[in-house]
Amino acid sequence: KAGVTQTPRYLIKTRGQQVTLSCSPISGHRSVSWYQQTPGQGLQFLFEYFSETQRNKGNFPGRFSGRQFSNSRSEMNVSTLELGDSALYLCASAPGSTSYEQYFGPGTRLTVT
Amino acid sequence: GQNIDQPTEMTATEGAIVQINCTYQTSGFNGLFWYQQHAGEAPTFLSYNVLDGLEEKGRFSSFLSRSKGYSYLLLKELQMKDSASYLCAVRAETSGSARQLTFGSGTQLTVLP
Repeated sequence: KAGVTQTPRYLIKTRGQQVTLSCSPISGHRSVSWYQQTPGQGLQFLFEYFSETQRNKGNFPGRFSGRQFSNSRSEMNVSTLELGDSALYLCASAPGSTSYEQYFGPGTRLTVT
Repeated sequence: GQNIDQPTEMTATEGAIVQINCTYQTSGFNGLFWYQQHAGEAPTFLSYNVLDGLEEKGRFSSFLSRSKGYSYLLLKELQMKDSASYLCAVRAETSGSARQLTFGSGTQLTVLP
């Protein structure tokens, strides 16, 4: 069974631009969560989607948004990029909303210049 | 809010045993996780505890005391490949059945020959 895939793997953007990151969960998994990882703040929860509904949202500004499609694939969007948005963005999938084990994708490394 | 503390760095010798501690403060506790993350890679699931006690899985064991807000990850027969960051994460019920996973900053373990 294929793992979680994220595209693109690397991205360079300039301040003020917007970016869309994509995540394809493991086949059959319906829960997708997004995390931001930086050296200073560690891994921080962004949001969780289950069956196309956002179930939970972390403490991030409204510039960070996401959605989930009927095939469970998910996208996250960051508008008006800031230098501090440079990070590794990780997506994790789980079979269901009550599943305890999450499987992480390789991440998208975003650099904002 | 939630607060998770774990040591920043630890060093141990190949073949030895090491214990990585994690303390947390949270409301709506719904489970504690340990993940391993090698440099440049995504976190991989190691263990999950929701009830007090010890969970053993091969060379790795994880312990939880909910009353003390305390967990530890025990690694036996250390190998060089165990050099990695070990992340403690707490899941809490937020609203309804929504769950949020909060990660500690990670403990960088270095295994020396």
